[in-house]
Amino acid sequence: KNQVEQSPQSLIILEGKNCTLQCNYTVSPFSNLRWYKQDTGRGPVSLTIMTFSENTKSNGRYTATLDADTKQSSLHITASQLSDSASYICVVSAIYSGGGADGLTFGKGTHLIIQP
Amino acid sequence: DTAVSQTPKYLVTQMGNDKSIKCEQNLGHDTMYWYKQDSKKFLKIMFSYNNKELIINETVPNRFSPKSPDKAHLNLHINSLELGDSAVYFCASSQDFSGARETQYFGPGTRLLVL
Repeated sequence: KNQVEQSPQSLIILEGKNCTLQCNYTVSPFSNLRWYKQDTGRGPVSLTIMTFSENTKSNGRYTATLDADTKQSSLHITASQLSDSASYICVVSAIYSGGGADGLTFGKGTHLIIQP
Repeated sequence: DTAVSQTPKYLVTQMGNDKSIKCEQNLGHDTMYWYKQDSKKFLKIMFSYNNKELIINETVPNRFSPKSPDKAHLNLHINSLELGDSAVYFCASSQDFSGARETQYFGPGTRLLVL
C-alpha cells in the first residue's frame, strides 16, 4: 500500500532559526515528490517538485532533498520567518502501468509554528 | 484575476440536502481536481478530469458526482448530504495530466458544514 509518513507532526521554532522536515514514502513506482505549504484557511501552494533524478531543489529559503534509494525527502527552511508558520505537506506521485491514472499519496503534514 | 476560484466559500446545510460547489480556473489548464480535507487536515484526492474526461475516481460515495461542462470548470454535486461530509473541499488545476510533474494550483477551498 502506498504511504507517505511525515515527521515531526508539529514543530515550534524561534524566528530566524533553521529547521528540517522529514518525509518517508513507500510509493511505487515513483514518479515525483512534491512539497506544499498550506497556510491556515488557505489552499496548498506548491514549493518544489522533484523527479527520480533530482537530489535537491531550492525555492528561496526552502530547499528540498530527495533520496530515491532510501525513499526519503526533507524540506529545509533557512532563516525562518513568521510567515513560514503553516502546514507543510509531502505528496508522492506514482505512475500506474499503461499510462493510466496518476496516483497521488498525501502525507498528513507537519504543522510548523514560528515564534518571534 | 484569481487563478482557481471556488464558490461558495462557506456552505452550511442540513443533512439530507443536495448541494453543489463550483470551480473555475482561468489558467488555461487541461486538468482539474477535487480534494477533500478532513478535520485532521488530511488531504485526499476525490476526482480528476482531463479535458472534460474523468481520469481519477477514488473510492468516493456515488452521492458525489463531478461535472465538467468545459475545461475551465469542474463542479461537484453532492446528494443526500451526511454529517461525515463536513470538510473543506479544494479544487485544483494543473497544466496537463500526462506530465505527472506539473504543478497543481489550488483554489481557496469551500468549507462545508452539514448539520
